[in-house]
Amino acid sequence: TQLLEQSPQFLSIQEGENLTVYCNSSSVFSSLQWYRQEPGEGPVLLVTVVTGGEVKKLKRLTFQFGDARKDSSLHITAAQPGDTGLYLCAGPEGGSYIPTFGRGTSLIVHP
Amino acid sequence: DVKVTQSSRYLVKRTGEKVFLECVQDMDHENMFWYRQDPGLGLRLIYFSYDVKMKEKGDIPEGYSVSREKKERFSLILESASTNQTSMYLCASSSPRGRTDTQYFGPGTRLTVL
Repeated sequence: TQLLEQSPQFLSIQEGENLTVYCNSSSVFSSLQWYRQEPGEGPVLLVTVVTGGEVKKLKRLTFQFGDARKDSSLHITAAQPGDTGLYLCAGPEGGSYIPTFGRGTSLIVHP
Repeated sequence: DVKVTQSSRYLVKRTGEKVFLECVQDMDHENMFWYRQDPGLGLRLIYFSYDVKMKEKGDIPEGYSVSREKKERFSLILESASTNQTSMYLCASSSPRGRTDTQYFGPGTRLTVL
């Protein structure tokens, strides 16, 4: 059973479009992280959300943590080809310091 | 600037060979991890270590072993490589002194077992 479900699994869009990626769980997380992984590279941390209802912005990327701390979303405004990559959400379950990873959303932005 | 390095970006080995994957971090992190990443399956934890000479099994330890003789170095060993171990291997580190939920990853080693 996958603790963190990400949707959609794949996304192929044109430059300039907006998109939202979702990360859902039936478990409560003390925090959730979003990583981006470019082809042939390791994941790189984008943001950590900690408080229920928290919203963080990173340029054109907006991250939200659900009020109940069971879900999170990533919204990209006016996507660019440089946003292409695999987006992973992750979070430590219970009192563990080891994060559980979702399976990722593969995003391709066409010029 | 934090850095996790892995000894090889690409590796091709034959079935039955012993394979060593090395990972080094320069952040003085206590925790180190080995994952494998396969399409559709995401990242799966193989082993982790929270201190020198300490190791714990992750979700899929079968066929693998690890070694942590120094704080900065964590090695993954495939005792007898098999074709189903063809995968992308990612090393990561984190610190209990900072945000323990934040992991810093190396660039990965793409291993092919023929």
